[in-house]
Amino acid sequence: RKEVEQDPGPFNVPEGATVAFNCTYSNSASQSFFWYRQDCRKEPKLLMSVYSSGNEDGRFTAQLNRASQYISLLIRDSKLSDSATYLCVAPRKGTYKYIFGTGTRLKVLA
Amino acid sequence: DAGITQSPRHKVTETGTPVTLRCHQTENHRYMYWYRQDPGHGLRLIHYSYGVKDTDKGEVSDGYSVSRSKTEDFLLTLESATSSQTSVYFCATRTDMNTEAFFGQGTRLTVV
Repeated sequence: RKEVEQDPGPFNVPEGATVAFNCTYSNSASQSFFWYRQDCRKEPKLLMSVYSSGNEDGRFTAQLNRASQYISLLIRDSKLSDSATYLCVAPRKGTYKYIFGTGTRLKVLA
Repeated sequence: DAGITQSPRHKVTETGTPVTLRCHQTENHRYMYWYRQDPGHGLRLIHYSYGVKDTDKGEVSDGYSVSRSKTEDFLLTLESATSSQTSVYFCATRTDMNTEAFFGQGTRLTVV
């Protein structure tokens, strides 16, 4: 089983829709969690950190569910510009490795 | 954004030749990483470094070696390039184990 797993998608949604992605992690010792956005042929860029209490930034909300070992990303009022691949990271506590999920591709349609 | 520079940005090389990619950072970050990204596989960790001269293998390290002789530079070497190493290579850095990573712009390597 991979350390971090994501549904590759693509998720095709109309503009204005709400869409949610999950990312499951296998190691319960993970302490910090992150969501990245990657545009085609570009480097990944940090979208948001995921805290135990959740995190909200405008239309984006990230949640952590430790009991079920997953993090989620909710995007409200989707824009065409939200079309990208969304990657999650759940680094294992006490190690230096920084392992990504394979990413979830989102297409927002006009 | 962290100052992370990868060089070269694009390279075409022949099978069997050695290739070295460079990652240079100006942020004094302790941790540095090399990834490769291929369709259907996402970002896969090749090697990482947790300090000067301290490196370790990632998920897909076969055929690659790394060196870090100073904080700011992390080199990735393909000892004898193969067509299966055609990929986009990304470097990343972090300040500590609980923080996010920042990425360089990537190197597109083609082995013919």
